[in-house]
Amino acid sequence: KQEVTQIPAALSVPEGENLVLNCSFTDSAIYNLQWFRQDPGKGLTSLLLIQSSQREQTSGRLNASLDKSSGRSTLYIAASQPGDSATYLCAVPNNFNKFYFGSGTKLNVKP
Amino acid sequence: GAGVSQTPSNKVTEKGKYVELRCDPISGHTALYWYRQSLGQGPEFLIYFQGTGAADDSGLPNDRFFAVRPEGSVSTLKIQRTERGDSAVYLCASSLAGGSDEQFFGPGTRLTVL
Repeated sequence: KQEVTQIPAALSVPEGENLVLNCSFTDSAIYNLQWFRQDPGKGLTSLLLIQSSQREQTSGRLNASLDKSSGRSTLYIAASQPGDSATYLCAVPNNFNKFYFGSGTKLNVKP
Repeated sequence: GAGVSQTPSNKVTEKGKYVELRCDPISGHTALYWYRQSLGQGPEFLIYFQGTGAADDSGLPNDRFFAVRPEGSVSTLKIQRTERGDSAVYLCASSLAGGSDEQFFGPGTRLTVL
């Protein structure tokens, strides 16, 4: 069974700081990796999807990288803002339908 | 529709009762997923539909849980004889064709079993 781990579990940074969130997975036979954002009491919003053949994806201030062989992905957030405060989750499918999620990193960006 | 919708947003029920949770996927999406999320945890896979059929129901915790998608669009998750341990947020997601396609999530239904 795929195990997805996210470190750190929580992170508090001052506004403007660049930061990195980590996601690791035990089974490298993945088709893609997806990063989500979840605000309190809300559903998940898709941020970035990296296909297994890609090394990274960028969207605005967000950059996600994928290293399948080492079972790792990172989400880089540049120039963090208070509006970035949320829980960030990564998810991997490993047989075309069953997606495994990490427990998330709860980010707090202080003004 | 514009996005995935779920109703109700909140459901409070008593132990032993039957509940139904509804999911309306994005129009044209053939794949639909149900997840369960407990406090402080990531979503846990329950069941995946491709069209009208349940392609993978291996995440359903026991036979009290059942889901249908009779016309290949709206899906209903049904829970019989609810238990306090069923309390969680139930999330629905859809994707265009399943597989490695991007998933889009609804806002969830918060189920509380008293």
